[in-house]
Amino acid sequence: GAVVSQHPSRVICKSGTSVKIECRSLDFQATTMFWYRQFPKQSLMLMATSNEGSKATYEQGVEKDKFLINHASLTLSTLTVTSAHPEDSSFYICSASGTGTNEKLFFGSGTQLSVL
Amino acid sequence: DAKTTQPPSMDCAEGRAANLPCNHSTISGNEYVYWYRQIHSQGPQYIIHGLKNNETNEMASLIITEDRKSSTLILPHATLRDTAVYYCIVSRQAGTALIFGKGTTLSVSS
Repeated sequence: GAVVSQHPSRVICKSGTSVKIECRSLDFQATTMFWYRQFPKQSLMLMATSNEGSKATYEQGVEKDKFLINHASLTLSTLTVTSAHPEDSSFYICSASGTGTNEKLFFGSGTQLSVL
Repeated sequence: DAKTTQPPSMDCAEGRAANLPCNHSTISGNEYVYWYRQIHSQGPQYIIHGLKNNETNEMASLIITEDRKSSTLILPHATLRDTAVYYCIVSRQAGTALIFGKGTTLSVSS
């Protein structure tokens, strides 16, 4: 199956700093990428949808100025958590679909963000 | 997208078949049934999907009722590594976001 690589897998940062998470599609062109957030013992919550070359569409309640999403190429999307605070600590997961993925979404391995 | 209902948890003995049910009574004609699983602290893993017909792959079988209002995921010979949260999701088409419910926590024990 298609491979989605997410980096870093774990990051610890100080409150007020910004953190960038990368999501790459390794063997297909990801025309659409999605970012999810998951708190402990809860399900995945969709944060935003990004199409290559377009501005991301954010779900209700997700601050677009805090969670900056860039999808500048067909193989790379980034999520930047700006001015992170402890309540932003969560498991962030990207997913992608595109040419050749045959109606499926493929997910990255996730990034555990801990803000001190 | 249609909503799904799954039991919160199930147990299965190693080597036995695990049958995970899902109700999706409001499914539309053009919506697919997807199954993913998530092992602790990892991203969801695709298992199988179908529209109307039953499907089988190297991981599992998907049985969809004739009226499409429910389905069952079958892991034919469960192993300890199959312990995970299993999500049944109904979605219109490829390229749209999957909306996750609470899923079923499957515990496989020896």
